[in-house]
Amino acid sequence: QQPVQSPQAVILREGEDAVINCSSSKALYSVHWYRQKHGEAPVFLMILLKGGEQMRHEKISVSFNEKKQQSSLYLTASQLSYSGTYFCGTEDGEGGSEKLVFGKGTKLTVNP
Amino acid sequence: ETGVTQTPRHLVMGMTNKKSLKCEQHLGHNAMYWYKQSAKKPLELMFVYSLEERVENNSVPSRFSPECPNSSHLFLHLHTLQPEDSALYLCASSQDWGYYEQYFGPGTRLTVT
Repeated sequence: QQPVQSPQAVILREGEDAVINCSSSKALYSVHWYRQKHGEAPVFLMILLKGGEQMRHEKISVSFNEKKQQSSLYLTASQLSYSGTYFCGTEDGEGGSEKLVFGKGTKLTVNP
Repeated sequence: ETGVTQTPRHLVMGMTNKKSLKCEQHLGHNAMYWYKQSAKKPLELMFVYSLEERVENNSVPSRFSPECPNSSHLFLHLHTLQPEDSALYLCASSQDWGYYEQYFGPGTRLTVT
């Protein structure tokens, strides 16, 4: 079940905040977030597991909504280095399917 | 060398050719993956190997044939490809199969003419 990411693209000025959503029609077991810069490989950001509500690393945090069918990635006080395409990968099912399905990505551009 | 490496980085092949993509991980991981990334499409999981055994095969056409001789190396053998197979092929590895962070290689940009 491919997750749906929104928005498809967002343009920010340095220092602004952004939210990227990742939605599924099923309750999620885990959500993985990756960032891919143009011409580079995806790089892992964070994993949020079913039992968790939120995780945070510096100015990036992720959370689940109440039904665990949506995860949101929050970027605070964005920096130029945050530019890239953000992918969420989801794993559904009560016990996890161990199969990660990625969304189409959200392209984030941070301008000076 | 560290991390996940892939060779070649670029490959142009005709539809009748046979070629292989190579992936090597230096992280001591037990699981390795092949993904296909096309323009404007999500990352598509093709194959997963855990401890050298194939555990996932996502309805990939038989013209793609994976091989995992040991936990550090993964190959993708290609033959009689189609132009629509042109894409970036990414290899990744993780500590184990499941909800572990994956480390991606730089990819092989494949063009089928």
